[in-house]
Amino acid sequence: AQSVTQPDIHITVSEGASLELRCNYSYGATPYLFWYVQSPGQGLQLLLKYFSGDTLVQGIKGFEAEFKRSQSSFNLRKPSVHWSDAAEYFCAGEAAGNKLTFGGGTRVLVKP
Amino acid sequence: SQTIHQWPATLVQPVGSPLSLECTVEGTSNPNLYWYRQAAGRGLQLLFYSVGIGQISSEVPQNLSASRPQDRQFILSSKKLLLSDSGFYLCAWRVGGRGTEAFFGQGTRLTVV
Repeated sequence: AQSVTQPDIHITVSEGASLELRCNYSYGATPYLFWYVQSPGQGLQLLLKYFSGDTLVQGIKGFEAEFKRSQSSFNLRKPSVHWSDAAEYFCAGEAAGNKLTFGGGTRVLVKP
Repeated sequence: SQTIHQWPATLVQPVGSPLSLECTVEGTSNPNLYWYRQAAGRGLQLLFYSVGIGQISSEVPQNLSASRPQDRQFILSSKKLLLSDSGFYLCAWRVGGRGTEAFFGQGTRLTVV
């Protein structure tokens, strides 16, 4: 089945440290891939998206993601985490037909 | 500007009772509409999506149904709620087809007791 998978349910990171969230996809062709963030008490917000072109995508709030076809991955990174980055992050994918599916999410906790 | 309204925000319903959650989008035409359920540890599960009036795609066989009676209205229903229907329900919309950004409502927290 076409899907995205986020292997990590929880990640704890110290403020100022780097962050990497994993996302693996399973689609027959290259899908559209997205990262969304859900901050406490807030709705989901798009961080970035990828379909083609440069495999390193820049997003909002200092996030970037790298598409690796050989590994079927689209990992999200941030060089230096701020306390306000504590949230739940969702990877999403879409092939044909407007069907947008999300992964299980990764909850990020930021230690002072 | 476009906005999405989802109500109610919180709902407590007894087992076996019916359900109707409504989602309305303003400021756009012919959006794609989605219903998701968010449960702890299970991420956002796609329940239904619609690309037009009366066109509903169901993703997960379950106790729920969806309808789109108007272009910008999407309704999630159940005839008889189960305990397992408890969760956080999110409606989303987008226009422009594949690859476009989805915008989410504030969600409905449903507790079936």
